[in-house]
Amino acid sequence: DTEVTQTPKHLVMGMTNKKSLKCEQHMGHRAMYWYKQKAKKPPELMFVYSYEKLSINESVPSRFSPECPNSSLLNLHLHALQPEDSALYLCASSQDGSSYNEQFFGPGTRLTVL
Amino acid sequence: QQQVKQSPQSLIVQKGGISIINCAYENTAFDYFPWYQQFPGKGPALLIAIRPDVSEKKEGRFTISFNKSAKQFSLHIMDSQPGDSATYFCAASRSGTYKYIFGTGTRLKVLA
Repeated sequence: DTEVTQTPKHLVMGMTNKKSLKCEQHMGHRAMYWYKQKAKKPPELMFVYSYEKLSINESVPSRFSPECPNSSLLNLHLHALQPEDSALYLCASSQDGSSYNEQFFGPGTRLTVL
Repeated sequence: QQQVKQSPQSLIVQKGGISIINCAYENTAFDYFPWYQQFPGKGPALLIAIRPDVSEKKEGRFTISFNKSAKQFSLHIMDSQPGDSATYFCAASRSGTYKYIFGTGTRLKVLA
């Protein structure tokens, strides 16, 4: 299985809602990533988990809260988001960070914040 | 020094033509250079990648050329097809790190 899956595909939420994005991979990868992508822009790194520990937080606002329950799963908990947080949220995974870092991306969750 | 400059921003090519996208970097510590293809509403898909110990890598119609001294690398799409119409991102990374530095992207349109 060489796939990264993400659910849901689309999400619409109000600014007071709490929601979660889910990502799963079964490639045995030990590094998992959350990216945010705005239209016509490259993906922007948010968080990196390595061996289920948060390794990188790119100064992301606390209304985004990542969680890595196990080596195959990655969640992104959302709370009190702003309309400018509307974007495509991408999950990716890689073997780990110790060598050439081939990252595999999921299809993304299209998030709209009203 | 962390930037990767990508050009052109957009490209229109006739079917059967050659599409060429260029990227330049500054940080000589980078040692992995992937190209990603992204269709609208989808996640980026790894197309082809190169390491600095080779000057060219070919996979089917896609070729990366790498010029270490000039700190430049490029993607060539031979016999371009309408199905190649997508946004292409180059990136650079250093082994032992998790971060990709992405280029700004090139929107390719191949006319039928």
